[in-house]
Amino acid sequence: EAGVVQSPRYKIIEKKQPVAFWCNPISGHNTLYWYLQNLGQGPELLIRYENEEAVDDSQLPKDRFSAERLKGVDSTLKIQPAELGDSAVYLCASSLRTGVLADQETQYFGPGTRLLVL
Amino acid sequence: DAKTTQPTSMDCAEGRAANLPCNHSTISGNEYVYWYRQIHSQGPQYIIHGLKNNETNEMASLIITEDRKSSTLILPHATLRDTAVYYCIVRASNTGTASKLTFGTGTRLQVTL
Repeated sequence: EAGVVQSPRYKIIEKKQPVAFWCNPISGHNTLYWYLQNLGQGPELLIRYENEEAVDDSQLPKDRFSAERLKGVDSTLKIQPAELGDSAVYLCASSLRTGVLADQETQYFGPGTRLLVL
Repeated sequence: DAKTTQPTSMDCAEGRAANLPCNHSTISGNEYVYWYRQIHSQGPQYIIHGLKNNETNEMASLIITEDRKSSTLILPHATLRDTAVYYCIVRASNTGTASKLTFGTGTRLQVTL
């Protein structure tokens, strides 16, 4: 079974340019997450989708970041315009929520997209 | 979610058991202890989780103290491929935000020959 797929794996852009990251979750997974990971730090949640609905986007900087999950499958995370401080790894994860209790849910992560803003 | 405290780094000889400690003294009764690891240039990988009983799977064992204020992840026979950053996470089980994994900085485990 294929895991979470992300593309591109690496992206170098100049500041003020737009950039987009794509995520294809594990087939059948209804929940999708985007995380940001700065160098030497653990991942931090940006947004969580349940099917096509964003249910937790409190940590997403909405002035420049946007995300969508059309049809409740693939997702795209966009930054416009990018700033130097956005250089980081952007991780996508998915899970299958089958009940109310979170212990029934394991998150599976993709390899991430490493962004460098010059 | 309760905070966790882990050593910054540890070394382990290949073939020996790696014992990774985690303190979570403010853990609540409905919070689970999760362990993930992240190998260089990869996304985090789920290892194991538990509430209060010790747990074992094909990857590792999780020992949780009786007062639940600390736990130890045990890799019984570490190999070079176990070199990674290991994250101990405390996670609530019964709220809408329970899906959120709050990662700290983890323990960097280096397995050596």
